[in-house]
Amino acid sequence: ETGVTQSPTHLIKTRGQQVTLRCSSQSGHNTVSWYQQALGQGPQFIFQYYREEENGRGNFPPRFSGLQFPNYSSELNVNALELDDSALYLCASSPDPGGYDEQFFGPGTRLTVL
Amino acid sequence: QKEVEQNSGPLSVPEGAIASLNCTYSDRGSQSFFWYRQYSGKSPELIMSIYSNGDKEDGRFTAQLNKASQYVSLLIRDSQPSDSATYLCAVNDRGSTLGRLYFGRGTQLTVWP
Repeated sequence: ETGVTQSPTHLIKTRGQQVTLRCSSQSGHNTVSWYQQALGQGPQFIFQYYREEENGRGNFPPRFSGLQFPNYSSELNVNALELDDSALYLCASSPDPGGYDEQFFGPGTRLTVL
Repeated sequence: QKEVEQNSGPLSVPEGAIASLNCTYSDRGSQSFFWYRQYSGKSPELIMSIYSNGDKEDGRFTAQLNKASQYVSLLIRDSQPSDSATYLCAVNDRGSTLGRLYFGRGTQLTVWP
């Protein structure tokens, strides 16, 4: 069974640029959630994708967008990067979008915005 | 805004001791509760999940849930230096169809030899 994978591991961008982060969900999981974790904080929910549709969003502006593909992999896109976007971006997969299910995180992408 | 609060820490215990980590949550409708372990520079790793009132044991870990008091805890018996990490409490959102998790800020645990 393959776990959750993310790419790239690290990324450095400048303010105003755009970035795309990628995630492959765990085998058998059709739901992907994205979280942002700032230094010293718990992860904050960005949005969730289920069957290629956004299934809900947290308090993040529209410049944070995403996609899910038929193989359940996912992308997180961030436009017009700001300094405060510097964080660890985590992808988590689960068997379905129901609230009972455990979510398993990938290794994360560390984004630094200069 | 649903809130999850954890004891601020840092928590420091000697090797072999019991480490006790606490968490309270604001949403009475929550039904799924999770503990994640996060080593410095790494991503969170799920170590315990609990859904019913009472205790759930898995090896050296015991999760305790009291929904009436909106309280969940994690006990680590026979603590080892390898348990040194930040422990995150997470609670699901049952107010919608989302499998959204709300996290506390984490409690940093240090186990010294």
